[in-house]
Amino acid sequence: GAVVSQHPSRVICKSGTSVKIECRSLDFQATTMFWYRQFPKQSLMLMATSNEGSKATYEQGVEKDKFLINHASLTLSTLTVTSAHPEDSSFYICSARDRATNYGYTFGSGTRLTVV
Amino acid sequence: QKEVEQNSGPLSVPEGAIASLNCTYSDRGSQSFFWYRQYSGKSPELIMFIYSNGDKEDGRFTAQLNKASQYVSLLIRDSQPSDSATYLCAVIPLSGGYNKLIFGAGTRLAVHP
Repeated sequence: GAVVSQHPSRVICKSGTSVKIECRSLDFQATTMFWYRQFPKQSLMLMATSNEGSKATYEQGVEKDKFLINHASLTLSTLTVTSAHPEDSSFYICSARDRATNYGYTFGSGTRLTVV
Repeated sequence: QKEVEQNSGPLSVPEGAIASLNCTYSDRGSQSFFWYRQYSGKSPELIMFIYSNGDKEDGRFTAQLNKASQYVSLLIRDSQPSDSATYLCAVIPLSGGYNKLIFGAGTRLAVHP
């Protein structure tokens, strides 16, 4: 089946630095990818929708200048958390739709970000 | 009103029993409905999807959809301790474009031996 690879799985960074998270579709082309954030004991909150070759669409309340999304190819989307603060510490998960199977939402394994 | 609502639980059932998980959604035009299972610290994994009114069975799992009542449920038969997890209901609402998947808060299921 469809596989989405997400790296890194865990990252610890200092306040004020930037962190890049990669999401790759390994065996299919993903025209659309989604980035979610999940705080402890809470559900997944959609942050933004990433479309190959165009600007990402951000959900209300998500700062586009803080969470930079790039979807330069059909197999790779990146999320960069800029000027990270401790409150950005969370579990970030990407999801890709399999272009061939329109109903398929495959999730990456997630990235645990801790900002100290 | 939240787009997708679930009882947070925990729902505690004995091993071998039927676990019933419920979900309601607000966008009447929603067409696609999904159930995911999430273990602590892991990303969600798809259990089932359902598009049409009625029941859909897959092994020990049965999804039920009632669009008139804007209600979708998941039944787990012969519950096992390994089924203990958080179950997330997800919906693609009619509004919003790009077929965004919107999640409920999840219901924690605990299956005790």
